[in-house]
Amino acid sequence: EAGVAQSPRYKIIEKRQSVAFWCNPISGHATLYWYQQILGQGPKLLIQFQNNGVVDDSQLPKDRFSAERLKGVDSTLKIQPAKLEDSAVYLCASSLGGGAHEQYFGPGTRLTVT
Amino acid sequence: AQSVTQLDSQVPVFEEAPVELRCNYSSSVSVYLFWYVQYPNQGLQLLLKYLSGSTLVESINGFEAEFNKSQTSFHLRKPSVHISDTAEYFCAVDFQKLVFGTGTRLLVSP
Repeated sequence: EAGVAQSPRYKIIEKRQSVAFWCNPISGHATLYWYQQILGQGPKLLIQFQNNGVVDDSQLPKDRFSAERLKGVDSTLKIQPAKLEDSAVYLCASSLGGGAHEQYFGPGTRLTVT
Repeated sequence: AQSVTQLDSQVPVFEEAPVELRCNYSSSVSVYLFWYVQYPNQGLQLLLKYLSGSTLVESINGFEAEFNKSQTSFHLRKPSVHISDTAEYFCAVDFQKLVFGTGTRLLVSP
């Protein structure tokens, strides 16, 4: 079974530029998550999708971050414009459902904003 | 506020020695508890989880964790570690969404 795919693996941009990350979840997984992991911290949930609907985006900085999951399969996370404090690893995860269901994580995208 | 605390940022240990990684959380209601492991340059992998039932849960590679409701803890233990156990370990609690601790880096040396 193929795991969660993410691209790119690494990205370096200057502040005020825009960037987009892509995630392809495990086939059949209805729930998709985006996390931000700042160095030295645990992952923080940015947004959770159930199929193509948003379940929780309470911690997504909506003035600069946006995410979509068209057709309820793959997803993109965009930052526009980027700030220095956005430097982090962005993790995508998927699961069969929420709550007790195991979340399967992708390898992440390491973003450096200079 | 709902929080997960991993007080030890790094735990150095010799191979074949026992280890305990501590995790405490703040909640007065029943929650689901998880331990995830992150090897270098890889994504997080589920190590074990507590949903209900027996308070002691085990993983296939020798780790175990015990849920203690009165102390709101879910410490991870292994009686004898291997070099290959070197990784970052994250405790996570499902408070309607998964909240992670800051992680503990386990460093196993020969």
